[in-house]
Amino acid sequence: SQQGEEDPQALSIQEGENATMNCSYKTSINNLQWYRQNSGRGLVHLILIRSNEREKHSGRLRVTLDTSKKSSSLLITASRAADTASYFCATEGNNNDMRFGAGTRLTVKP
Amino acid sequence: NAGVMQNPRHLVRRRGQEARLRCSPMKGHSHVYWYRQLPEEGLKFMVYLQKENIIDESGMPKERFSAEFPKEGPSILRIQQVVRGDSAAYFCASSPRSGHEQYFGPGTRLTVT
Repeated sequence: SQQGEEDPQALSIQEGENATMNCSYKTSINNLQWYRQNSGRGLVHLILIRSNEREKHSGRLRVTLDTSKKSSSLLITASRAADTASYFCATEGNNNDMRFGAGTRLTVKP
Repeated sequence: NAGVMQNPRHLVRRRGQEARLRCSPMKGHSHVYWYRQLPEEGLKFMVYLQKENIIDESGMPKERFSAEFPKEGPSILRIQQVVRGDSAAYFCASSPRSGHEQYFGPGTRLTVT
């Protein structure tokens, strides 16, 4: 089932700029995950952040988690045209259920 | 319009048995994706099927695992001779066409004893 809200729904930036996507959720969670999907392909797992973590880095990706506000953000620095894709957040709840947001469609123009 | 349905929700198998996981996509959806989630890890793509065709199976283990999506009926993920390492949650998702948003089912939790 789809749940959670991501904003913006669509984001268009120039190569080299940073892209920030946000995700909000409603229930308490064990962890939050970000995924990427290229058109016509399956989801690819990017990063997982646990509920007791506040920030995590992986290459050009930075994820923050604010459990008091029930929100997370994904920052992609120095974006490239190849970063063009849809990005989804997913939350894993206390009973291990997975819930996905509707996604942000990122377009990086060369 | 019912969402993506998976059954069973929980499945317990002894080592060496076969596990069959079913996924009924949303009405009107002809594309199905299977994912595996190990404890404390993210989803990992396994296979992407369109009716009667395997489009991408790059995430499927080479042995013991197979998937099908027949013209009629649900998609089936089949694991033969299960081992303890197969214990995981298996999610399927469906979409009406390639590149469209995927809708996820509730998952099947497989436990191999």
